[in-house]
Amino acid sequence: RKEVEQDPGPFNVPEGATVAFNCTYSNSASQSFFWYRQDCRKEPKLLMSVYSSGNEDGRFTAQLNRASQYISLLIRDSKLSDSATYLCVVRGSGAGSYQLTFGKGTKLSVIP
Amino acid sequence: EPEVTQTPSHQVTQMGQEVILRCVPISNHLYFYWYRQILGQKVEFLVSFYNNEISEKSEIFDDQFSVERPDGSNFTLKIRSTKLEDSAMYFCASRVGSYNEQFFGPGTRLTVL
Repeated sequence: RKEVEQDPGPFNVPEGATVAFNCTYSNSASQSFFWYRQDCRKEPKLLMSVYSSGNEDGRFTAQLNRASQYISLLIRDSKLSDSATYLCVVRGSGAGSYQLTFGKGTKLSVIP
Repeated sequence: EPEVTQTPSHQVTQMGQEVILRCVPISNHLYFYWYRQILGQKVEFLVSFYNNEISEKSEIFDDQFSVERPDGSNFTLKIRSTKLEDSAMYFCASRVGSYNEQFFGPGTRLTVL
């Protein structure tokens, strides 16, 4: 049973393109939701938290649908520097649980 | 900008040997974590640590693993008798308080031969 599932990609897109990533999670009691970015052989870094109302940070927009247990990330005007693996991450299912559950990631390559 | 540091960056060991992976969390952080990532696989939670005791642990974190905060700055992960399948990148993370971001260190790549 996959707790956090993502399309592994790779997504190869030209500079300037808009790209969308999707993620589903299995535990309806999950508390918080995030997108992390991981460059090759580096540590995960928080890109943005995801809220039910949807949230935007510059070129990045994240959406959460709790009823469908679905999370999305939209990247507009892709840059070469956006090339990385994008990890969908869910925080624990119990009060006081702060362990993070990661998806396997979606690899993005932005091509000149 | 404060950051989580980890040493060594790469550790090579023989199967059956003990290894200690070291982490220095961000100084005012109170919650500490270890995760691992086998090459090509997802990041997996191992253990969380708060107030000098384990808060949560996963099925991976069996009796071969232990954690310690020996001196108020370092946070260590010990694997008593390494197996080939312990080869992975081990990430330490820390968090200042409730609902705050977990900051990850650069990782230690463990290779078990």
